[in-house]
Amino acid sequence: KAGVTQTPRYLIKTRGQQVTLSCSPISGHRSVSWYQQTPGQGLQFLFEYFSETQRNKGNFPGRFSGRQFSNSRSEMNVSTLELGDSALYLCASSLGTQQMDGYTFGSGTRLTVV
Amino acid sequence: GQQVMQIPQYQHVQEGEDFTTYCNSSTTLSNIQWYKQRPGGHPVFLIQLVKSGEVKKQKRLTFQFGEAKKNSSLHITATQTTDVGTYFCAGSRTGNQFYFGTGTSLTVIP
Repeated sequence: KAGVTQTPRYLIKTRGQQVTLSCSPISGHRSVSWYQQTPGQGLQFLFEYFSETQRNKGNFPGRFSGRQFSNSRSEMNVSTLELGDSALYLCASSLGTQQMDGYTFGSGTRLTVV
Repeated sequence: GQQVMQIPQYQHVQEGEDFTTYCNSSTTLSNIQWYKQRPGGHPVFLIQLVKSGEVKKQKRLTFQFGEAKKNSSLHITATQTTDVGTYFCAGSRTGNQFYFGTGTSLTVIP
């Protein structure tokens, strides 16, 4: 089956701009979680969407937002970009139930803010 | 919020030596998962532990979940260069949302 698809793979934006990242989960997976990864900081949880509803949220400012569509595809948006937002953004797909197996990650979108 | 700490942050070993990374949570977990991320890659799911005191093996990898379900370890016997990467634990209290540890970066010297 197809894996998790994230687009675009790379992005360069300037400070103050906004950006939208996309994630298509594995077919049948209803949960999409977003993580920010920077060197030395590990994987910081942004939010999780399940059946079009935000079910869990991490400790990121309101500039970071997301949504999920009826086909489970998800987008995350970052407004008013700052230099510190430069990172690898990973999307993780799962069943989202208590019987879930592990997350399947996409290859990520590498965002550079200049 | 939920905290999952992992030690050590970095580990260099000679090929053939053993390696262990430890994961500790401030709260009791329902499940813990382990992932491996190769350099330049994305995390790949290795295993999930759900029972107190559970031990699971995958070839040279041994995973343990503590009796109190607050800690876990991953042990690799006789490391190989293919083991290089960052190993992450991820803990959950609910079973459907996981918080990742800071990771242990393993370097294997041939």
